[in-house]
Amino acid sequence: NAGVTQTPKFRVLKTGQSMTLLCAQDMNHEYMYWYRQDPGMGLRLIHYSVGEGTTAKGEVPDGYNVSRLKKQNFLLGLESAAPSQTSVYFCASTEAGGWAKNIQYFGAGTRLSVL
Amino acid sequence: QKEVEQDPGPLSVPEGAIVSLNCTYSNSAFQYFMWYRQYSRKGPELLMYTYSSGNKEDGRFTAQVDKSSKYISLFIRDSQPSDSATYLCAMSESSASKIIFGSGTRLSIRP
Repeated sequence: NAGVTQTPKFRVLKTGQSMTLLCAQDMNHEYMYWYRQDPGMGLRLIHYSVGEGTTAKGEVPDGYNVSRLKKQNFLLGLESAAPSQTSVYFCASTEAGGWAKNIQYFGAGTRLSVL
Repeated sequence: QKEVEQDPGPLSVPEGAIVSLNCTYSNSAFQYFMWYRQYSRKGPELLMYTYSSGNKEDGRFTAQVDKSSKYISLFIRDSQPSDSATYLCAMSESSASKIIFGSGTRLSIRP
């Protein structure tokens, strides 16, 4: 049972380059999320999706775009990377309804450095 | 001021000790309270989940919520080296609202 899988695990970019982070879940969850984790800042929500074909902005969406073309996949894109986007990125998923929505299942993270 | 405050630590205790981890919050509308454990270079995983005030026990772990003081705690009894991790508190107003995470407390259990 893979759960939530993130690729790649590590990446180094130069300022201005673009990349896409992939998140895949095999639990048939409706909701998916992208967070970034920075020292002293906790987990901050970038974008989220409440179902296939839907996306919404979170707390820190600027500089990122997302797509949810398939229920099991949630892609996070950086069109023009900046050093401020150096962070650890986590994807999470949850079931759709009730209190279970608060139980988030996380991937192992993608460590991104932008030089 | 952050909605959720958590001492970053690090907190180092000897094996077998009782550990107390805490968070304070400012939003009185929070009703759902969670503790996540995050091992180094891994994603967070849910450890404890409580609704409203009171205590919840699961093995060596006890979660406590005091809504009147806007204060939540996680107690670990008979701490083990395998408990060494970062512990993040999290809370939300309802099942439909976003989850707010604390910044995490790094815990180290010395053998």
